[in-house]
Amino acid sequence: EAQVTQNPRYLITVTGKKLTVTCSQNMNHEYMSWYRQDPGLGLRQIYYSMNVEVTDKGDVPEGYKVSRKEKRNFPLILESPSPNQTSLYFCASSFRGARNEQYFGPGTRLTVT
Amino acid sequence: AQSVTQLDSQVPVFEEAPVELRCNYSSSVSVYLFWYVQYPNQGLQLLLKYLSGSTLVKGINGFEAEFNKSQTSFHLRKPSVHISDTAEYFCAVSAQEGTSYDKVIFGPGTSLSVIP
Repeated sequence: EAQVTQNPRYLITVTGKKLTVTCSQNMNHEYMSWYRQDPGLGLRQIYYSMNVEVTDKGDVPEGYKVSRKEKRNFPLILESPSPNQTSLYFCASSFRGARNEQYFGPGTRLTVT
Repeated sequence: AQSVTQLDSQVPVFEEAPVELRCNYSSSVSVYLFWYVQYPNQGLQLLLKYLSGSTLVKGINGFEAEFNKSQTSFHLRKPSVHISDTAEYFCAVSAQEGTSYDKVIFGPGTSLSVIP
């Protein structure tokens, strides 16, 4: 089954404790992206990647890191999480860029205390 | 800079009535436009998209949208809604920056509630 998977689905952590949210897709998509969803703000793009070793900033990249060492994986790293990063995070992928349909993962709900 | 406005945060509508969800964008360059739907506790899925060509775009589940370049709008319509259409709807824009269309801006969303 074609899908985007994210782990963990739920995470509660404390300020400053490094964490990684994994994202994997099995559709051989070149493009992958991370978003955060907050009430009243919709989805905001954090980082995106056009292909292996090619990443670029979205609208809200501060406090986040990404890497794209393999085509199928695009982990999101929070080196020192803060409470304002409490949010619902979505990973998405598409074939050759954002002009094509993005397939979204189920989401990761992160709480930073 | 690009931006997307969805003028109504909540839209209640009776079952079998028509509905229009409004979306306006701000961009001075060529754009691609999308509508995504998010059902409760799920990720997003594509309803329809406009890349080029006919300004009237048909999508899944009986939805359609019309691209109006002069008014920079991309409103979503359905002639008769069902209870199962209750969901959050997001308008999104991918605009040209250099040679890339890969940065995506989403609107804040419209919550559609279908009343039996």
